[in-house]
Amino acid sequence: AQSVTQLGSHVSVSEGALVLLRCNYSSSVPPYLFWYVQYPNQGLQLLLKYTSAATLVKGINGFEAEFKKSETSFHLTKPSAHMSDAAEYFCAVRNSGGYQKVTFGTGTKLQVIP
Amino acid sequence: EAGVTQSPTHLIKTRGQQATLRCSPISGHTSVYWYQQALGLGLQFLLWYDEGEERNRGNFPPRFSGRQFPNYSSELNVNALELEDSALYLCASSPDSTGLNTEAFFGQGTRLTVV
Repeated sequence: AQSVTQLGSHVSVSEGALVLLRCNYSSSVPPYLFWYVQYPNQGLQLLLKYTSAATLVKGINGFEAEFKKSETSFHLTKPSAHMSDAAEYFCAVRNSGGYQKVTFGTGTKLQVIP
Repeated sequence: EAGVTQSPTHLIKTRGQQATLRCSPISGHTSVYWYQQALGLGLQFLLWYDEGEERNRGNFPPRFSGRQFPNYSSELNVNALELEDSALYLCASSPDSTGLNTEAFFGQGTRLTVV
């Protein structure tokens, strides 16, 4: 079985501040982990993915995430928030099988305050 | 190259009616996935089609159904609509259903409103 928990359904940061969105996963085998971003009335866009190579994964738009097996975490960070980062972010986990086995978190809405 | 396209973008139906949502995958992609994104519930897996066959379905009643055509496009049908079916329905496609590095690409969704 696999699951993913996103801590905080809403996160607010000031423009220029650090963005930290938390994701913890549960998986019985080494997981594949994803972060997606969803802008209002849009589909999901892949930000980055972890597939058992480097534990620090760099994605688009300056985001990165670090896989920490000991903490079962895959938190998303960005050093300096932009107004354009305001969106909803989803963490997802998959352990084996095809993409149909992906489990999504419930999402975190990021608000960026000018 | 065109991405995943969904139509219509918005759909308003009356309770009890049927809704048909359409999805065209990226060229060359054989797998299509449907998700329901209801307010506050995140993404719930609905259906997976690959090579014209339904391969898996999520925990939804049989009134949610669909099909995949020979050109890999897909249709989602929701019969006997209920108010709780109001949601954003997302379609995603992937080139390979089994590859470990497979990722899916999402369309912009169809916003279904049941009144």
